[in-house]
Amino acid sequence: DAGVTQSPTHLIKTRGQHVTLRCSPISGHKSVSWYQQVLGQGPQFIFQYYEKEERGRGNFPDRFSARQFPNYSSELNVNALLLGDSALYLCASSLDRVGTEAFFGQGTRLTVV
Amino acid sequence: GDSVTQMEGPVTLSEEAFLTINCTYTATGYPSLFWYVQYPGEGLQLLLKATKADDKGSNKGFEATYRKETTSFHLEKGSVQVSDSAVYFCALTDNQGGKLIFGQGTELSVKP
Repeated sequence: DAGVTQSPTHLIKTRGQHVTLRCSPISGHKSVSWYQQVLGQGPQFIFQYYEKEERGRGNFPDRFSARQFPNYSSELNVNALLLGDSALYLCASSLDRVGTEAFFGQGTRLTVV
Repeated sequence: GDSVTQMEGPVTLSEEAFLTINCTYTATGYPSLFWYVQYPGEGLQLLLKATKADDKGSNKGFEATYRKETTSFHLEKGSVQVSDSAVYFCALTDNQGGKLIFGQGTELSVKP
């Protein structure tokens, strides 16, 4: 069975641009969460989506948004990119909203120049 | 708010040495506790977990015990291998919202 897949694996953007990151959860998983991992730090929670609705949001500015589609895949959008947005963005899927194991994708490495 | 604190790295050990990585947490309620491992260039993999006080999680020779009285979840392994070289993250979830709260990570380097 395929695990959590994220695309693209790497990308380079210029300050002020917009970026869309994509995540396909494990088949049957209804919950997708997004995390930002800055180099040398632990992942920080950005969003959780469950059954296509936002169920949790971390301490990130409104430039960050996300959505979940009917097939449970998800997109993370970041507007007006800043140098400080450079990070590894991780997607995690789980069977349910709480109480079930989170499986992580390999991440998208975003570099803002 | 809830938080996790790990011992700072990097930790460098010789093969077959004993490993301890300290982790303490602050949380309201009764969180579940996790150790995740991140190999170079990869995402996170769940290593072990414990969902209530005094539970011991174990996997691949690693183990950690949920100590409510000391709010700790220290990771141990009796004999490390070169292949254990990675970054280890302690994390908790509050079982209400599902989000994971991570510590800052501890880099382990095992030399032959």
